[in-house]
Amino acid sequence: DAKTTQPPSMDCAEGRAANLPCNHSTISGNEYVYWYRQIHSQGPQYIIHGLKNNETNEMASLIITEDRKSSTLILPHATLRDTAVYYCIVRVETSGSRLTFGEGTQLTVNP
Amino acid sequence: GAVVSQHPSRVICKSGTSVKIECRSLDFQATTMFWYRQFPKQSLMLMATSNEGSKATYEQGVEKDKFLINHASLTLSTLTVTSAHPEDSSFYICSAMAGETDTQYFGPGTRLTVL
Repeated sequence: DAKTTQPPSMDCAEGRAANLPCNHSTISGNEYVYWYRQIHSQGPQYIIHGLKNNETNEMASLIITEDRKSSTLILPHATLRDTAVYYCIVRVETSGSRLTFGEGTQLTVNP
Repeated sequence: GAVVSQHPSRVICKSGTSVKIECRSLDFQATTMFWYRQFPKQSLMLMATSNEGSKATYEQGVEKDKFLINHASLTLSTLTVTSAHPEDSSFYICSAMAGETDTQYFGPGTRLTVL
């Protein structure tokens, strides 16, 4: 699986949009971009994933650049409960395909 | 949908004893489940891939005789830490793969403390 690069930490004000970047310059054509987050002492929570088109669900939006070498996870109105470590992972979507977790980005939402 | 549970959530045991952790997919069937371990201030490390009805595949450096995995049904996988020692103290997390999308959903984790 392609390696990803994320900033180690970010801060965001409550109510503002949080934009979390991820670089994956060696991504292959059949690799998807997945985002998970882990709130302290809990299991990771699936957020969203995409291949090349932008995606949106009730939690977040995923913007993937045209060359697919980077992406941005957007939390439109961050709340204090969004404070967590956010992991960007690229993965081939086949049965049994593993997730390889990097260090992620610690997002702290401040009141 | 796509809920995964783990039991127990927390366990404290004496050195030398064995501990079993259960991972269940509550509202979907999972032919593949994964077991991860997470030490404090570190990221998740994959320990093994568990396939229903077959032997688990262990990652390099993970002792298969120490960490016994059984995936006897499409909704249940168990991890048994045998002869636990203090260095096995960690946060153990399972995930289950939902068939339609192959997305992995994670359990809440089990905090193991070996005294």
